[in-house]
Amino acid sequence: EIVMTQSPATLSVSPGERATLSCRASQIVSSNLAWYQQKSGQAPRLLIYDASTRATGVPARFSGSASGTEFTLTISSLQSDDFALYYCQQYNYWPRTFGQGTQVAIK
Amino acid sequence: QVQLVQSGSEVKKPGASVRVSCKASGYRITSYTIIWVRQAPGQGLEWMGWISPHNGNTKSAQKFQDRVTMTTDTSTSTAYMELHSLRSDDTAVYYCARDLGYGDYWGQGTLVTVSS
Repeated sequence: EIVMTQSPATLSVSPGERATLSCRASQIVSSNLAWYQQKSGQAPRLLIYDASTRATGVPARFSGSASGTEFTLTISSLQSDDFALYYCQQYNYWPRTFGQGTQVAIK
Repeated sequence: QVQLVQSGSEVKKPGASVRVSCKASGYRITSYTIIWVRQAPGQGLEWMGWISPHNGNTKSAQKFQDRVTMTTDTSTSTAYMELHSLRSDDTAVYYCARDLGYGDYWGQGTLVTVSS
């Protein structure tokens, strides 16, 4: 199965700063990559699909990009509401697989 | 609006089975597939399987293949996930989601606790 590796495990950022989260796939997954945000006690929320398309209602400060097997989620200016866990997921192969998550914490 | 509403928390003994339901509204259930994902306490997301309510086809992750049954009742727009031979490490929150390869709408989650 495809292994998705996210880094770093924890990212400490000050409000208003940029956050850059990485996700690497063990094989080429084309652009079939999604990003989710999860807050404590809540279900995941879709942010990005097809590597770079924002889901409905997602603020423009969230953006996704891809290069080969490397994927990046960028939050341009962190708001208080953005401190959460973020997961990537590939959907190019069965079984679909998630990364282990990156915690974005307040610095 | 699209909503997926799951059944309530369950406590089960090791070796038992649990069935979690996921009622879809705001769209035609046969038009989209549904996935099941679980999250053990303090852990990440784990993809379990997929069902097409249109024809009943399913796919599951290999580790669950022998223990999971996914079904749908299109007359009530409800999907079901049944996990058999429960173990303590099956304690987790189980989610359903509408599937486009990725989950665009998610249920609220169902906590399943396995304890003797």
